[in-house]
Amino acid sequence: QLQLQESGPGLVKPSETLSLTCTVSGGSISITTYFWAWVRQSPGKGLEWIGSVYSSGRTFNNPSLQSRVSISVDTSKDHFSLRLSSVTAADTAVYYCARHTERFFDLWGQGTLVTVSS
Amino acid sequence: QSALTQPASVSGSLGQSITISCTGTSSDVGGYNYVSWYRHHPGKAPKLLIHDVDNRPLGISYRFSGSKSGNTASLTISGLQAEDEADYFCCSYAGRGIMLFGGGTKLTVL
Repeated sequence: QLQLQESGPGLVKPSETLSLTCTVSGGSISITTYFWAWVRQSPGKGLEWIGSVYSSGRTFNNPSLQSRVSISVDTSKDHFSLRLSSVTAADTAVYYCARHTERFFDLWGQGTLVTVSS
Repeated sequence: QSALTQPASVSGSLGQSITISCTGTSSDVGGYNYVSWYRHHPGKAPKLLIHDVDNRPLGISYRFSGSKSGNTASLTISGLQAEDEADYFCCSYAGRGIMLFGGGTKLTVL
């Protein structure tokens, strides 16, 4: 059964770059039907789509975060990664990796809390 | 793109039905039949309840149903149960690879 697991530092300093990796197990990230996404939920707020990557490496990003977001995929390791630069306290959130089509998200990781603080 | 608009909270008694709305624009909810709904218990992975406006994935109870009219989609939960108490999010495709979520609705079962 396909599973997703986020990993990365739980604490990032302001102005630095947040880096997370999502490892896909039990299957291949190269399935062409799907996009691989990062979604976050800040305290007390709703879900926010950050961006997605296709197995080819093509990316789609939230326009509001576009200038700070970089998402990449490594099909040889079955993982994809998020880099969010110049973070502030507003980027404190639970970050989820997920799989989706244009129609829906069908598989999610458990989420990882990232706190931005000095 | 702005987040889709959902009521912050709804409540209902055990056994009753409730409906959660999700309002967008003609560029997202109204423009595509790609609205999905998720149940989210804090600290856990969100769970897909409805996809393509009104389709239930295998294993999802018939108590969950979806619909859409114009730029507003709706999720109805019938026969409320205690375990339905959770946060509910809608999501819509918005074109050019962009996915939009709603702000979330907290359901309280009385």
